Amino acid sequence: GPKVLQIPSHQIIDMGQMVTLNCDPVSNHLYFYWYKQILGQQMEFLVNFYNGKVMEKSKLFKDQFSVERPDGSYFTLKIQPTALEDSAVYFCASSLGGEQYFGPGTRLTVL
Amino acid sequence: GDSVTQTEGLVTLTEGLPVMLNCTYQSTYSPFLFWYVQHLNEAPKLLLKSFTDNKRPEHQGFHATLHKSSSSFHLQKSSAQLSDSALYYCALSERSGGSNYKLTFGKGTLLTVTP
Repeated sequence: GPKVLQIPSHQIIDMGQMVTLNCDPVSNHLYFYWYKQILGQQMEFLVNFYNGKVMEKSKLFKDQFSVERPDGSYFTLKIQPTALEDSAVYFCASSLGGEQYFGPGTRLTVL
Repeated sequence: GDSVTQTEGLVTLTEGLPVMLNCTYQSTYSPFLFWYVQHLNEAPKLLLKSFTDNKRPEHQGFHATLHKSSSSFHLQKSSAQLSDSALYYCALSERSGGSNYKLTFGKGTLLTVTP
């Protein structure tokens, strides 16, 4: 079936540095999402993105977070600067407006 | 706000026994309910989605019935298989405008099926 890829699978970074998480969505999909899962907790919605714009963001989507999809390439989540509480698995998803297809996640560790 | 509760974090079953994973929810509206399954080192995949009518969705031997009176969408299967071992998430969709529905997830239930 359709696959969403996420690069890298793991990232370790020092607090205060910038990190970019990359998502390669299903090619004809129009809607893009990021979810965050802290160890032992549920996946929580961060943001969704459509037609080059953020449609909705949750309270977890701090000012240090940004998303973009330049020229239809990767859908990225940038965190600048990172904080210890940003350590989590970040899942990307994409859809045509119905079923959301998820990537396998990027495990981010902030030291 | 909306919330999803999966009551068991870990369920261990012997192959061939029935499976029932519980899911209850709270929502202001009449949401769609979903079950996602995630095998080790793989992406979560949609297993089932509730229908707007009273049809019972089924896939790979799993089924779930949306009971609005009890706000539940329990996942069931008559006979567990070793390959069913995975993490199962119950989720609901919040209508955030248009067709761009964000998902609210439960914490997940880890199902382990033993020989």
